[in-house]
Amino acid sequence: DAGVIQSPRHEVTEMGQEVTLRCKPISGHNSLFWYRQTMMRGLELLIYFNNNVPIDDSGMPEDRFSAKMPNASFSTLKIQPSEPRDSAVYFCASTLGLAVGELFFGEGSRLTVL
Amino acid sequence: DQQVKQNSPSLSVQEGRISILNCDYTNSMFDYFLWYKKYPAEGPTFLISISSIKDKNEDGRFTVFLNKSAKHLSLHIVPSQPGDSAVYFCAASEISDKLIFGTGTRLQVFP
Repeated sequence: DAGVIQSPRHEVTEMGQEVTLRCKPISGHNSLFWYRQTMMRGLELLIYFNNNVPIDDSGMPEDRFSAKMPNASFSTLKIQPSEPRDSAVYFCASTLGLAVGELFFGEGSRLTVL
Repeated sequence: DQQVKQNSPSLSVQEGRISILNCDYTNSMFDYFLWYKKYPAEGPTFLISISSIKDKNEDGRFTVFLNKSAKHLSLHIVPSQPGDSAVYFCAASEISDKLIFGTGTRLQVFP
């Protein structure tokens, strides 16, 4: 079975540009999470969805960040406009059910904003 | 603000010896704790977990200990192997709530 699929794996963009990161969760999983990894904060939860509905977006840094889950097999994380401090690795993870236990992570999208 | 803390950013251990990775938390409502392992250019993968009703859980070379009164957990790897070299994240959650991760500890196992 395919795991969580993220694209792009690497993105280099200039400050002010729009960035869209994509995620396909594991089939059958109904909870999806977006995390950001930085040296200072480790893995920060940005937002999570259950049955395509955003449950907790308190980790979204500011209005420049938005996330959508239009259906059970696809989610996007958008940054507009991007800033250099947004440079990080962004991970998507999925699991079955709302109660978190083992999360299954994608390989991440490494974002560099120049 | 950091509810889950891993105060050692790195650890270096000789092959065959014990590796001990530590994690502290501040939220007394956490009732489920996990360790994840991450290799470069890969996503984190689940390693081992423990519920707050236990104080120890063992899986092969990996054992997690939980001390609720001290709000502390640790991961023991015995014996350590070069393939264990990775970043280890501690994570915790309240019942039916999101996972909160620590900042990670980079373990290097040398021959």
